[in-house]
Amino acid sequence: AIQLTQSPSSLSASVGDRVTITCRASQGISSALAWYQQKPGKAPKLLIYDASSLESGVPSRFSGSGSGTDFTLTISSLQPEDFATYYCQQFNNFPLTFGGGTKVEI
Amino acid sequence: EVQLVESGGGLVQPGGSLRLSCAASGFTFSSYAMSWVRQAPGKGLEWVSAISSSGDNTYDADSVKGRFTISRDNSKKTLYLQMNSLRAEDTAVYYCTKGYRRFDPWGQGTLVTVSS
Repeated sequence: AIQLTQSPSSLSASVGDRVTITCRASQGISSALAWYQQKPGKAPKLLIYDASSLESGVPSRFSGSGSGTDFTLTISSLQPEDFATYYCQQFNNFPLTFGGGTKVEI
Repeated sequence: EVQLVESGGGLVQPGGSLRLSCAASGFTFSSYAMSWVRQAPGKGLEWVSAISSSGDNTYDADSVKGRFTISRDNSKKTLYLQMNSLRAEDTAVYYCTKGYRRFDPWGQGTLVTVSS
């Protein structure tokens, strides 16, 4: 199975900060990667698909990049509603797998 | 509006069985693959199973292979997860979600607790 390693596992940031989360795949997955945001007690929400395509309705401060084994999710200017846990997910191969998550805290 | 509503969760003893359902609305259910994803308390997300739009092809995580069966009834716009031989480590919120290349949207989840 393809393993996805996210870093950091948690981070502290302030409103207005630029935040970058990385996701590394144990083998190449082309651009078959998605990013999700999850707030406590809620279902995850799709932010980015195909590594860099912004899901409709998602603010443009979110962006994704990368291909192969190394990917990043960037929040250009952190807003209060962005404090949440973020997960990457690969869909290049079954079994589908998620990264361990990155908790973004104040 | 696309909506997914899970049901069927609850408390079950180890070794027991449970069937989850997911009622879909707001999109052409029969045109899309569907998946189940779970989240143990305080833990991350784990993909469980996926099924093709027609139901002809299914895929399972190794952790549930041989115990869980995903299925669908396109006439009823409903996705199912039959869970047998349940273990304590299957305790989780189970989410129904549209697709498998990307999961969007997600249901609200249904809690399955495996405990004696």
